[in-house]
Amino acid sequence: SSEVTQDPAVSVALGQTVRITCQGDSLRNYYVSWYQQKPGQAPRLVFFGQNNRPSGIPERFSGSSSGRTSSLTITGVQAEDEADYYCNCRDSSTLHVVFGGGTKLTVL
Amino acid sequence: EGQLVESGGGLVTPGGFLRLSCAASSFAFKTFNMNWVRQAPGKGLEWVAFISDDSKKIYYADSVKGRFTISRDNPKNSLLLEMSGLRTEDTAVYYCTRDLAAYNSGYFDLWGQGTLVSVSS
Repeated sequence: SSEVTQDPAVSVALGQTVRITCQGDSLRNYYVSWYQQKPGQAPRLVFFGQNNRPSGIPERFSGSSSGRTSSLTITGVQAEDEADYYCNCRDSSTLHVVFGGGTKLTVL
Repeated sequence: EGQLVESGGGLVTPGGFLRLSCAASSFAFKTFNMNWVRQAPGKGLEWVAFISDDSKKIYYADSVKGRFTISRDNPKNSLLLEMSGLRTEDTAVYYCTRDLAAYNSGYFDLWGQGTLVSVSS
């Protein structure tokens, strides 16, 4: 099966913009979805597909995709955005779902 | 909006059996594909299994294939995961999730609170 990779950790200053990336061959064929997970909580869907933000998710969360890389961008990062972020994608060969390893976002 | 509530987790010895349940409410359960996703302590998310709305399509991660069985009871708004031949590496919080798309998309818009499965001697 294909792998989906993420940078383990990213830091950003409060109010700045941060991009969290996800890479994998399957991303050429399928859009990813992005999840935010805070300690002790279940993951929460924050962006999915070509351009979809679930109800209740702030507009500062956006997504993009190019080739084998997809990105989640948070514009004007808030303190409450500090969390682990995971992407997932449908695997082109197995049709299973594969998660990235997650990115720990620290807000400075 | 909807709600998912998992139950059935607990401590089991290696090689043992456990049945997890997920009770769905406040949405049309029978029209959604469903999944189980797990998270080992301090680790990332791992997709475990998928079942289509009509139970005709079922997929498993290689790590659980042949040991786990996913099923659903639409009239009872219930999703199940039967786990046999449990291994220490199956220790994780198991989440029930709803899939937004008409296929195994990975677009999980609703999650339960999770139930902890611990496999240890």
